[in-house]
Amino acid sequence: EAQVTQNPRYLITVTGKKLTVTCSQNMNHEYMSWYRQDPGLGLRQIYYSMNVEVTDKGDVPEGYKVSRKEKRNFPLILESPSPNQTSLYFCASSLGNTGGYEQYFGPGTRLTVT
Amino acid sequence: DQQVKQNSPSLSVQEGRISILNCDYTNSMFDYFLWYKKYPAEGPTFLISISSIKDKNEDGRFTVFLNKSAKHLSLHIVPSQPGDSAVYFCAARDRGSTLGRLYFGRGTQLTVWP
Repeated sequence: EAQVTQNPRYLITVTGKKLTVTCSQNMNHEYMSWYRQDPGLGLRQIYYSMNVEVTDKGDVPEGYKVSRKEKRNFPLILESPSPNQTSLYFCASSLGNTGGYEQYFGPGTRLTVT
Repeated sequence: DQQVKQNSPSLSVQEGRISILNCDYTNSMFDYFLWYKKYPAEGPTFLISISSIKDKNEDGRFTVFLNKSAKHLSLHIVPSQPGDSAVYFCAARDRGSTLGRLYFGRGTQLTVWP
């Protein structure tokens, strides 16, 4: 089954404790992206990647890091989480350059930073 | 500044009636538009799209209309069903920016009541 998976689905952590949210897709998509969803603000892009080892900032990259060492994986790293990073996070992927603009989303990760 | 705007945060419609969700955009380089539907505790799922060379696209109960001169698109759902209750996001692709990247509106919560 074609899908985007994220882990964990729920995470409660404390300020400053490094964490990683994993994202994996099995569709051989080139383009991958991370979004956060906050009430009244919709989906805001954090980082995106056009292919292996090619990443760039989205609209709200501060406090986040990403890496793309394999085509299928695109982890989101919070080196020192803060309460304002409490949010619902979505990973997405698409064919990107090779056509097809529809992005496929993972189920989301609910992060709470206390 | 938001390039894709959904000015109505919520819409309430009776079952069987038409739902019309609106979206405005500012970037004349947008050439492809998509609508996503999102249920609670799930990731957004692709619903319907339209290329800027068209003014209408239909898929069953869902029709998207594009008015390029007004930089406006709308999603019509006829007839509306309670299962259509969800948040709807409008998204657009900028042909001048990174291939694969989409710009999202803030979403409209549609409630269809019996």
